[in-house]
Amino acid sequence: DAMVIQNPRYQVTQFGKPVTLSCSQTLNHNVMYWYQQKSSQAPKLLFHYYDKDFNNEADTPDNFQSRRPNTSFCFLDIRSPGLGDAAMYLCATSRDLPGGEGETQYFGPGTRLLVL
Amino acid sequence: RKEVEQDPGPFNVPEGATVAFNCTYSNSASQSFFWYRQDCRKEPKLLMSVYSSGNEDGRFTAQLNRASQYISLLIRDSKLSDSATYLCVVQYNFNKFYFGSGTKLNVKP
Repeated sequence: DAMVIQNPRYQVTQFGKPVTLSCSQTLNHNVMYWYQQKSSQAPKLLFHYYDKDFNNEADTPDNFQSRRPNTSFCFLDIRSPGLGDAAMYLCATSRDLPGGEGETQYFGPGTRLLVL
Repeated sequence: RKEVEQDPGPFNVPEGATVAFNCTYSNSASQSFFWYRQDCRKEPKLLMSVYSSGNEDGRFTAQLNRASQYISLLIRDSKLSDSATYLCVVQYNFNKFYFGSGTKLNVKP
C-alpha cells in the first residue's frame, strides 16, 4: 500500500503559470518535507513542516510556497515557474523522535515538472 | 563547503566484485546517518541506517566513524540489480536531513 502519494506524477506547465503539486501520507507522521532534485544532483530541501510549524530554508526562493491544511496533506505552490524550476519534486515524511534524533524519511514517487 | 560530500563515481565493477563508498560530513553534531538507494528517475529508498557500532544487512555493511566524520558502505558480491545511485544522508538539527549528491554504481556482467 502506498504510504506517501504524490500527484500528479508528471506535470507540464507554462512559463509563469502557477502550479500546485500535492502530497498525501497515510503514515500519520508529524513532519513533512519538500525537496527539489535536478538531474545528477542531491535532493535539495526547500522547506518542511513540523506539525503546523513551517520551516523555510534560507535559500528557497520566494516563488515557492507551501501549505499543510492537515496532518495528511501538504502542497507545494510555485507561483511563477521559470525554466530553471524544471525538476523532480519529492515529498517525504518522517516521525520526530524524542532527543532530536531523526527517524528515517519515507519518500513519495515524486512529481516531475516540465516548464515550457 | 557542502554539508555532505560523496565521490560521484561512476564506479564500474564486474558482477561479484566488492565495492566501497565513502561519505564525509561537516557537522560534528550530526545525529543520525543513512544510506539511500536511488534508481534512475525514481525516489530515494532507504537502504540502511548507520549505527556507531557498524551494521550489516546481507551483502551490505555500513560503518560510521564519528571522529573522522565519515560513513562508508561496503557491497559484497555485487549483483546487476545493485546498479543505482547511492545517497549518503546525515541528520542533525532535529528534523533536517542533508543529502550527498550520490555515488553512481554500474555493475556489469
